[in-house]
Amino acid sequence: KNQVEQSPQSLIILEGKNCTLQCNYTVSPFSNLRWYKQDTGRGPVSLTIMTFSENTKSNGRYTATLDADTKQSSLHITASQLSDSASYICVVRGTDNNDMRFGAGTRLTVKP
Amino acid sequence: DGGITQSPKYLFRKEGQNVTLSCEQNLNHDAMYWYRQDPGQGLRLIYYSQIVNDFQKGDIAEGYSVSREKKESFPLTVTSAQKNPTAFYLCASSMRGNYGYTFGSGTRLTVV
Repeated sequence: KNQVEQSPQSLIILEGKNCTLQCNYTVSPFSNLRWYKQDTGRGPVSLTIMTFSENTKSNGRYTATLDADTKQSSLHITASQLSDSASYICVVRGTDNNDMRFGAGTRLTVKP
Repeated sequence: DGGITQSPKYLFRKEGQNVTLSCEQNLNHDAMYWYRQDPGQGLRLIYYSQIVNDFQKGDIAEGYSVSREKKESFPLTVTSAQKNPTAFYLCASSMRGNYGYTFGSGTRLTVV
């Protein structure tokens, strides 16, 4: 069973709208959690990184939240743009530096 | 500009053939990784290397081989023993320790 579960699998929204993507994990012990954006046919690019003590972190129109007690994270996208169409991947790192667990991603489509 | 380069972008393999995917980085990163990405699944670790002339198997190493003769290079060979090689392959690198990954643009391998 994957230790990182993302929902929804896919999402379609209209340009300008907001959306929230979810990530639940069971990785323990936990070191940090990252959100990546992956355009089709490209490698993932890091958006945010959050450690155990951080609850919220923003990167422009992207805001990530983390609840380490419930092992949940969310990525909120504000005022979506067509270029936000991509897969968003949640990655959780355990305390072993090589133990990175990837979610299957949420495929976001922003339509005009 | 520093970065990580994968080649080729597209690769076609005949049954029974070995093929090699190239991964080169000029970021002076010690650690390099190979992941496989399949639709609907999270990235899965094939092999990783934390230092020149040393590498370790990941979760799905069977049918693959690697070498790390230079710090900058970490080629992946998909052997004929890999029965289902069609996938998107991603190479990544990082500084040693608790750092995020820089990903290449990926190689899409298709068996014909």
